[in-house]
Amino acid sequence: DVKVTQSSRYLVKRTGEKVFLECVQDMDHENMFWYRQDPGLGLRLIYFSYDVKMKEKGDIPEGYSVSREKKERFSLILESASTNQTSMYLCASSSLLTPTNEKLLFGSGTQLSVL
Amino acid sequence: AQSVSQHNHHVILSEAASLELGCNYSYGGTVNLFWYVQYPGQHLQLLLKYFSGDPLVKGIKGFEAEFIKSKFSFNLRKPSVQWSDTAEYFCAVNALGGRRALTFGSGTRLQVQP
Repeated sequence: DVKVTQSSRYLVKRTGEKVFLECVQDMDHENMFWYRQDPGLGLRLIYFSYDVKMKEKGDIPEGYSVSREKKERFSLILESASTNQTSMYLCASSSLLTPTNEKLLFGSGTQLSVL
Repeated sequence: AQSVSQHNHHVILSEAASLELGCNYSYGGTVNLFWYVQYPGQHLQLLLKYFSGDPLVKGIKGFEAEFIKSKFSFNLRKPSVQWSDTAEYFCAVNALGGRRALTFGSGTRLQVQP
C-alpha cells in the first residue's frame, strides 16, 4: 500500500529549540509539500519541492526552512520554535505526471506543541 | 495569487437532510477545483475534482459539485446526508500556469446527527 509517512505523530518541544519534521514517501513522487492545519484557517502551504534540492516558498514560509536531499524525503525545519508554531503539520506528495496534483496523497500529520 | 473562501465554518444537519457547502475562489484565469474530506482520525482524501467539460462533477459517496464560472464558485452538494458523512470538508484550487501547489480553503466542519 503506497503511503506518505511522517516520522512522529506527536511532538512536544520548547521555545527556541530547533525542530525537524521528517516525511518519507514510497511512490517515487517528484512533488512534495508541507502544509500546516489550524482550526478555522484550513491548510496553509509552507514550502514545496518538485525535485531533489529544489524548493519553493509557499504562503507562510517565515520561521521555517526545508531540505530535500533525496527524492523520497522532505524535511521541515523550525530554526527556533515559537509558540505560534504549535499546529498540525501535514506532508503530501504527488507525481509530476499529474501536474494539477489531483492525486495528492497526505500523511497522517504531526501534531507539534511548542511550550 | 489564488485564494479560496468557504463561508460555512460549522454545519449541523440531521440524517437525510440535504447538504450544500459553499466555496468561492479568486483567480482570473483557468483553474482546477477540488473538494477534499477529512474523516475523524483519518488522512485527507480526495472527494471530487473539476478540470474541464461538464461543470457538474460527481464524486465518491454520492457527493457532487457544480462549477459556476461566472460566480467563481464550486459548491459541494449531497441530497441526503448520513451520519458517516461527519467530517471536515476542504475546497481547494490549482491555478493553471501558476504555482504547482493546491491552495485550500479554511474548511467546513460537518456534523450529522442521527
